[in-house]
Amino acid sequence: DARVTQTPRHKVTEMGQEVTMRCQPILGHNTVFWYRQTMMQGLELLAYFRNRAPLDDSGMPKDRFSAEMPDATLATLKIQPSEPRDSAVYFCASGWGTGSYEQYFGPGTRLTVT
Amino acid sequence: GENVEQHPSTLSVQEGDSAVIKCTYSDSASNYFPWYKQELGKRPQLIIDIRSNVGEKKDQRIAVTLNKTAKHFSLHITETQPEDSAVYFCAGGAQKLVFGQGTRLTINP
Repeated sequence: DARVTQTPRHKVTEMGQEVTMRCQPILGHNTVFWYRQTMMQGLELLAYFRNRAPLDDSGMPKDRFSAEMPDATLATLKIQPSEPRDSAVYFCASGWGTGSYEQYFGPGTRLTVT
Repeated sequence: GENVEQHPSTLSVQEGDSAVIKCTYSDSASNYFPWYKQELGKRPQLIIDIRSNVGEKKDQRIAVTLNKTAKHFSLHITETQPEDSAVYFCAGGAQKLVFGQGTRLTINP
């Protein structure tokens, strides 16, 4: 049963520190999405890639967040510098296709910034 | 851009009864509408989806209906069981999805 994997599962860091989250999409999937989940905002799309190319990062604070996909098996989301308001669960999801299709979520990274 | 509204935010039903969750969307270009179930501390899991060329889809106790004219879609769960208790999210979009705010469903034994 293929699944999306994410590391780390939990991260506690101090304000101002750099945070890097990693995602391994399901083998063969060509699209990767990064979401942030908070109680107040629900599930927000931060950015997504298709065939490793960034298609939309309009949901991401550009000054501190960056997303990359160095190869087909790894997507990264980096926050530098981190702030307490970044505390949330960050989910990666992957899918296959060129239009609308199923997305499968990873287990998430729970980030706490103190 | 797309906006998805979901109601109710909380729903409590007796075991064995039916539960209905409703969503509306704003962008007529949206053509894909999945529903996700999320248990506490777990990942959202896709439970059923519908595309804009279909009006209804059913999978055992779960069904989804779509009204493109009115821009709304609904999740129906029949014969509810305690394990159906979770937060349910609707979503809509084309290339990317916008999620509703979620419905916390509680099944009372």
